[in-house]
Amino acid sequence: DIQMTQSPSSLSASVGDTVTITCRASQAIRNDLGWYQQKPGKAPERLIYAASSLQSGVPSRFRGSQSGTEFTLTINNLQSEDCATYYCLQHNNYSWTFGQGTKVEIK
Amino acid sequence: EVQLVESGGGLIQPGGSLRLSCAASGFTFTTDEMFWVRQAPGKGLEWISYISPSGSKIFYADSVRGRFTISRDNAQKSLFLHMGSLRADDTAVYYCAGGIEYTGSPERWGQGTLLTVSS
Repeated sequence: DIQMTQSPSSLSASVGDTVTITCRASQAIRNDLGWYQQKPGKAPERLIYAASSLQSGVPSRFRGSQSGTEFTLTINNLQSEDCATYYCLQHNNYSWTFGQGTKVEIK
Repeated sequence: EVQLVESGGGLIQPGGSLRLSCAASGFTFTTDEMFWVRQAPGKGLEWISYISPSGSKIFYADSVRGRFTISRDNAQKSLFLHMGSLRADDTAVYYCAGGIEYTGSPERWGQGTLLTVSS
């Protein structure tokens, strides 16, 4: 099974900051990764697919990137509405694994 | 408007069986791969099952294989999850989700339905 190690588990940042969340896959998964935002009591929403493609309607301050088996979600110019938990999801070869989640709080 | 609406959750005793349903509207259900994802209270997301648009490909997480069965009715635009031998650790919000085939990461999500397994 493919394991996803997501870090950090939580972070606190100020409005306008740039934050970075990382997921590392236990083996090569090509670019088979998406990023999701989940607010309390709500369903997840996809932000990024295929590691770096921005979902339609998602602000351009969200950016996904990849280096080998390490995947990064960067949020530029953090806004108060970005307070949420973020998850990566790998979907390589008909297996799916979520990262453990990163809770983003606004200072 | 794209909608996925889950139903069928509730309180059930350990060892029991239940069927969740998900009604789709506002998009072409027959070309979407579909998923069930769950979230235990205060915990992260867990993928539990996948079904291809035709139903020819089906996969399960180890945690539910042999106990849960995913199915779909494309004519009725519905997705189902038959759950058996339920345990306390199956307690979770169950989400139905979907996306265009081969995308891999679902873009459409329902609001979830809560299943509580308790005596």
